[in-house]
Amino acid sequence: KQEVTQIPAALSVPEGENLVLNCSFTDSAIYNLQWFRQDPGKGLTSLLLIQSSQREQTSGRLNASLDKSSGRSTLYIAASQPGDSATYLCAAQKAGAGSYQLTFGKGTKLSVIP
Amino acid sequence: EAGVVQSPRYKIIEKKQPVAFWCNPISGHNTLYWYRQNLGQGPELLIRYENEEAVDDSQLPKDRFSAERLKGVDSTLKIQPAELGDSAVYLCASSLDGLNTEAFFGQGTRLTVV
Repeated sequence: KQEVTQIPAALSVPEGENLVLNCSFTDSAIYNLQWFRQDPGKGLTSLLLIQSSQREQTSGRLNASLDKSSGRSTLYIAASQPGDSATYLCAAQKAGAGSYQLTFGKGTKLSVIP
Repeated sequence: EAGVVQSPRYKIIEKKQPVAFWCNPISGHNTLYWYRQNLGQGPELLIRYENEEAVDDSQLPKDRFSAERLKGVDSTLKIQPAELGDSAVYLCASSLDGLNTEAFFGQGTRLTVV
């Protein structure tokens, strides 16, 4: 059974700082790894999707990397802003017959202090 | 383009009462998912539809939960009777297809059972 872990559970940084969020998964047989953002009381907003054949994806100030062999992904946020404050979740989509479900981590709660 | 639409946003019911949630996926998306998210946890899959067929409902508590996706578009998730432990956020998501494509989530329905 796939298990996804996110460390740290919470992170507080001053505005302008670069930061890295970590995601690890136990089963490397995945189709993709997706990063989401969740604001309090809201649904999930898709940020980046990395295919299993890719090493990284970039969108604006966000860069996500994937090392499938080691079961790790990172989300790099450059020049953080207070508006980046939210919970960030990663999810791995299982490969193989039967199930294509996303397995989520518990998230990292990010606070960017002005 | 409209995203995934869910209603209601909030629902408070007494235990043993029935409740239903509605989801309208992104137009053209064949795959629809229902997830449940408990406080401080990542979402967990309840059921996945490919068009009108439920292809993965292994984690749906079938004694009290039911779902349908008539005509392969809108979907309804029902709980009858509700228990205190069903209090959670119920998220609907859709993707173009179930295999290796980006999932988009709705705002969710926050259910409180008292």
